[in-house]
Amino acid sequence: DTEVTQTPKHLVMGMTNKKSLKCEQHMGHRAMYWYKQKAKKPPELMFVYSYEKLSINESVPSRFSPECPNSSLLNLHLHALQPEDSALYLCASSLRSGEIGEQYFGPGTRLTVT
Amino acid sequence: QKEVEQNSGPLSVPEGAIASLNCTYSDRGSQSFFWYRQYSGKSPELIMFIYSNGDKEDGRFTAQLNKASQYVSLLIRDSQPSDSATYLCAGGSGGYNKLIFGAGTRLAVHP
Repeated sequence: DTEVTQTPKHLVMGMTNKKSLKCEQHMGHRAMYWYKQKAKKPPELMFVYSYEKLSINESVPSRFSPECPNSSLLNLHLHALQPEDSALYLCASSLRSGEIGEQYFGPGTRLTVT
Repeated sequence: QKEVEQNSGPLSVPEGAIASLNCTYSDRGSQSFFWYRQYSGKSPELIMFIYSNGDKEDGRFTAQLNKASQYVSLLIRDSQPSDSATYLCAGGSGGYNKLIFGAGTRLAVHP
């Protein structure tokens, strides 16, 4: 089983709202990721959590705030977003941390900022 | 700057033919390579990974890696219309978890 789940599937928010995206995996994977994908572009890495600690932040604006409450859960808190932040937000996980292994993506959250 | 390059396509093949998707990479330290299939509006799905030089086969899919030429390919045999999607090639270096994605190749299989 290589299932990563994400909620919500769709989210529309205004520029002054605060919302959160949630990601969950029960595969015992030790690394979890947030990616952003714009139309007709490849996924763009935002954050990597390794053993529940933030290991990579790809210079993401502070209006995006990740959180890893435990080894199965990953959240992305959103605040004061801009319309250009509208995109598909993907969560992924991989078994091993500290080395490249297979990453499995969740279905994504389609975010629209109005 | 580490890069993975793919022809954006579209690559158009008739049903039943072999589709050949190619990818080159700039980082000689890359050790692992992945092929993802992404249908329009959906998330990427991992279909093949390869870590060693040579060929790796799984059903209708064959991944090929040539580290000397810094070249990765994906062959899809007996292509079906349901294979029509964007195929993303990604490479990674050991030591940390970051994948470098190519821009993706759009494959269209026509009946």
